[in-house]
Parts: sequence; C-alpha cells; structure tokens
Amino acid sequence: DGGITQSPKYLFRKEGQNVTLSCEQNLNHDAMYWYRQDPGQGLRLIYYSQIVNDFQKGDIAEGYSVSREKKESFPLTVTSAQKNPTAFYLCASKNQAREQFFGPGTRLTVL
Amino acid sequence: QKEVEQNSGPLSVPEGAIASLNCTYSDRGSQSFFWYRQYSGKSPELIMFIYSNGDKEDGRFTAQLNKASQYVSLLIRDSQPSDSATYLCAVNPPGSGGSYIPTFGRGTSLIVHP
Repeated sequence: DGGITQSPKYLFRKEGQNVTLSCEQNLNHDAMYWYRQDPGQGLRLIYYSQIVNDFQKGDIAEGYSVSREKKESFPLTVTSAQKNPTAFYLCASKNQAREQFFGPGTRLTVL
Repeated sequence: QKEVEQNSGPLSVPEGAIASLNCTYSDRGSQSFFWYRQYSGKSPELIMFIYSNGDKEDGRFTAQLNKASQYVSLLIRDSQPSDSATYLCAVNPPGSGGSYIPTFGRGTSLIVHP
C-alpha cells in the first residue's frame, strides 16, 4: 500500500524540550511539506522540500527545523524556541500532477 | 501576499439538497485548484482537482473554475450526513524557480442535517 505515515500520533512535550516528528512516504514523490493546523484555522506552511538535500522555509518556520537526507523521509523538529507549539502537524507529499496527499497527522501538546 | 478566501460557515443544508462551496484566490497566475475534505480530528483528503475553466464532474461532486473571476467552487449533489466536514480549497500559484507551493483557504464547515 502506498501512502504517507506519520509518527507518533500523539506527542507530549515539556517546556524547553526539542521533539522530532517523523514523516515517511513510499509514493516516490519528490516534494514534501510540513503544515501546522490550529483549531478553526487553515493550514500554515512550515517547511517544504522539492528534492533531496534541499528545503525551504515556509510562512512560519521560526522555531522549527527539518532535514531531507532521503527521498522517503522528511522529519520535523520542534525546538524549544517555538513558543506555542501545541497544534496538529500534517506532513504531505505532492506528485507530478501537483496533487498533494496528506499523512494522518501528529497532535502535539505542550505540558 | 497570495490569498485564498473561503466563507467559514457553517453552511447547513438538508439531506438530499445541493451544497455549494465557494473559494476566491488572489494570484492570477495560479494554474491548478484542489478541494479537500477534512473530517473533525482527521487529515485532509483530496476529493477533486480542476485545471481548466468550466466544470468537472466526479460522481456527486462538481468542481467549477472561472479564472477570469478568480473563483472556484464545489457542488455536492444529493448531500448526505456523511458529507458533513470542513472543505478546504487549495490553489497552486507559481513560486520562485518554477515551484508551485499550495496555498490553502481556512475551509468551509458543511453540516448536512437529516
């Protein structure tokens, strides 16, 4: 089955901790994205990567970091510099037809 | 700033009616347009895409695009309670280096009542 997986489904972070959210896809897509969604809000772009070993900041990159060492993987680290990290985090990948597909999401809560 | 605007709703329709969801966008260079359905607590699911002016039909869904008016809509015929969800409009405006970075509206909440 082709698709996008995200782990963990739920994540709890203490103040001052860095945490890493996993995103893996086996769709052979070059482009991958990280979004943040807050209650009642749309999707806000954190980072995106068009190709391996390259990534770009989105609209709200401050306090986040990413890497793209493999085509299949695009992990997101939420650093202690992100002051309000509680949100629903969505990873997506996009095919050549510009259709974007989403993983199931990770719900991050700061304790 | 590239913007995608949607009425947040909720839009409430009776079962069996036609639900009409609308979206406007600011970047005239946008090439492709997508509709996603998002159930509460779940991730968005792609349900329709449209690239050319006019209508595109897929089952009970019809996407309509008018590039001159910068307007895209989604019609859901014979609405069912299971269609109750938030519908996100996404637009692909051209970015730097030929990239197309999707821009999402905030979504319209649809409630289909029996």
